[in-house]
Amino acid sequence: NAGVTQTPKFQVLKTGQSMTLQCAQDMNHNSMYWYRQDPGMGLRLIYYSASEGTTDKGEVPNGYNVSRLNKREFSLRLESAAPSQTSVYFCASSNSGTLPFFGPGTRLTVL
Amino acid sequence: QQQVKQSPQSLIVQKGGISIINCAYENTAFDYFPWYQQFPGKGPALLIAIRPDVSEKKEGRFTISFNKSAKQFSLHIMDSQPGDSATYFCAATGGTSYGKLTFGQGTILTVHP
Repeated sequence: NAGVTQTPKFQVLKTGQSMTLQCAQDMNHNSMYWYRQDPGMGLRLIYYSASEGTTDKGEVPNGYNVSRLNKREFSLRLESAAPSQTSVYFCASSNSGTLPFFGPGTRLTVL
Repeated sequence: QQQVKQSPQSLIVQKGGISIINCAYENTAFDYFPWYQQFPGKGPALLIAIRPDVSEKKEGRFTISFNKSAKQFSLHIMDSQPGDSATYFCAATGGTSYGKLTFGQGTILTVHP
């Protein structure tokens, strides 16, 4: 029982490159989330998926896309990375009426 | 617009002392207020949470105090230990999806032995 797993753990990109951050949960949760963490800003919601087949924008969605592949997996894609997207990205999951459980994070640097 | 404001940014406490972190929120639609603890290189982990129908919740050495009229809540860590050294985030949520959290800026707590 791994909880929420994220790959990769670390990534360095050049400006303009694309990449996909992967997230999977084994807790049979319906909802999944992507947050970014920046110094002095706390965590901010990028996108979320309330249930399989649905996705919605959060507070800071610009420059990102998401895919809810199935109930377990929720990916975050950067089509053309920018230095402003340098951050630590956290995936989380929850069921209705419960607080989210976070993964270990992906540290992304865009040069 | 920061809907949840957290202070202080950093806090240094001696072992055995009391650590106090404060948060204030603006949105009266929030109805669930968790605190998360984060160690370096790890994801945030739920520590304790409170709903606005109670003024205080205690779990071990950790207590949340809640003042609904002032729209403020705080975390008290009693008998602080070096192992409590971490970053603490307050958060707020409401409605139908408790996973949509609005976080405070975070407080880096250092407990000296």
